[in-house]
This record gives sequence, structure tokens and C-alpha cells, in this order.
Amino acid sequence: GAGVSQSPSNKVTEKGKDVELRCDPISGHTALYWYRQSLGQGLEFLIYFQGNSAPDKSGLPSDRFSAERTGGSVSTLTIQRTQQEDSAVYLCASSLGTASYEQYFGPGTRLTVT
Amino acid sequence: AQKITQTQPGMFVQEKEAVTLDCTYDTSDPSYGLFWYKQPSSGEMIFLIYQGSYDQQNATEGRYSLNFQKARKSANLVISASQLGDSAMYFCAMREGRFSSGSARQLTFGSGTQLTVLP
Repeated sequence: GAGVSQSPSNKVTEKGKDVELRCDPISGHTALYWYRQSLGQGLEFLIYFQGNSAPDKSGLPSDRFSAERTGGSVSTLTIQRTQQEDSAVYLCASSLGTASYEQYFGPGTRLTVT
Repeated sequence: AQKITQTQPGMFVQEKEAVTLDCTYDTSDPSYGLFWYKQPSSGEMIFLIYQGSYDQQNATEGRYSLNFQKARKSANLVISASQLGDSAMYFCAMREGRFSSGSARQLTFGSGTQLTVLP
């Protein structure tokens, strides 16, 4: 079946602009995660959604970052007033639920802020 | 303190030989899970293997095995019979808390080890 998809694959934006990154999880997966990977680094957790529960936003680096998940499926990560330090690959993952240990990752969106 | 430490930024191995990638972790939670992911140059994260903190046996998946030493808080990945396609970045990760409780759901990743398999 189809895996996790993300769009766009690449995004170049000017400093100060807002960007939206999209994630389409695997059908039936109730848990959705956003991570950020800066160049040459490991992944940094940003936010997590599980079903209809309130999201875990503990990893968001500033209030310029927000995310929503509509209808328990597609998620959008929004970065307002982008800064150069926001440049990174943003990875989305989904899993069957909290009891499932395996997270399936999408291909990521490479964001470059100029 | 770092929760996941990978001390080898880069490793080389000859094709067909075995290689061990090191990972140590730090947690006070008795319930946790340890993961290894592979990230080729194409960028996708590929799940390789999982070890639960209460698992008695070391996890194995094909050519991958996890050398779990709980007292030493070590979860090294062993790749046997290396192949050229194994060249990639390898990440160790941990999830804390019981899975059924839904707590601490996210993964904490190490900084990774770049493995290069030589022909």
C-alpha cells in the first residue's frame, strides 16, 4: 500500500515568509509525528497527534511553529516568519497508534530559508 | 545529558565483513524501547530493528541484530555480511514509557553513524 507522503519535496523561501508543509499518513494510522533534521544531525521531535486527543506540542521550538491535523488524517506544519535557522529537512511519520512501536517515515520536505 | 549517544561519526567496513555500530542510552524509566533506523543518501528513514526493555532475547532481523546490554545501557547494532547497499547513515533511537500507556510517544534520536562499505 501507499506509504507516508509529504509535499512539497523541496521548498525555498525568503526569510520572513510563512510556509506550509503537508503530510499524508498511511491510511488507518492514528498516530502522526513531525520531526526536524538539520544538516548532519539526528532527528528532533516537534509535535505528535494521536486520534482526537490534544496534540503533544512539547518539541515545537517557538510559537512561530504550529501544526494541525484535519479529520484525523492529513497534517499541515506551518512555520510563520521563517528564519534561516529553520532550514532543515522536515520529516513526518505515522504509526498504528501509541501501542505500535514502528513509525513509518515519509521522504521529508527540504526547507531552505534564504 | 544526552539520552542517546552514538560515538562513531563514521565507520568503514569491508564488503562481506561484520560491523558493530555503537549506541548507549540514558533513561530512568524502566519501560522503554530501542530502535535502529537506516537513512540512505536518498533521505528516507528505514526501520531496521526494535528491542524492548523487558525483552529477554536480543532482537534479530535478517542480517541485523541488536546487542542489548541492559546493565551497561548499550544497544549496539550488528550488521553481518555487509553489502555495498548498507552504506548509509544509521540512527539509534529510544522511546520512553510503556507503549500501552501512550506516554512519551516520540522517539529521541542519536546523532548517527555514517557507515561506508568498501568493495
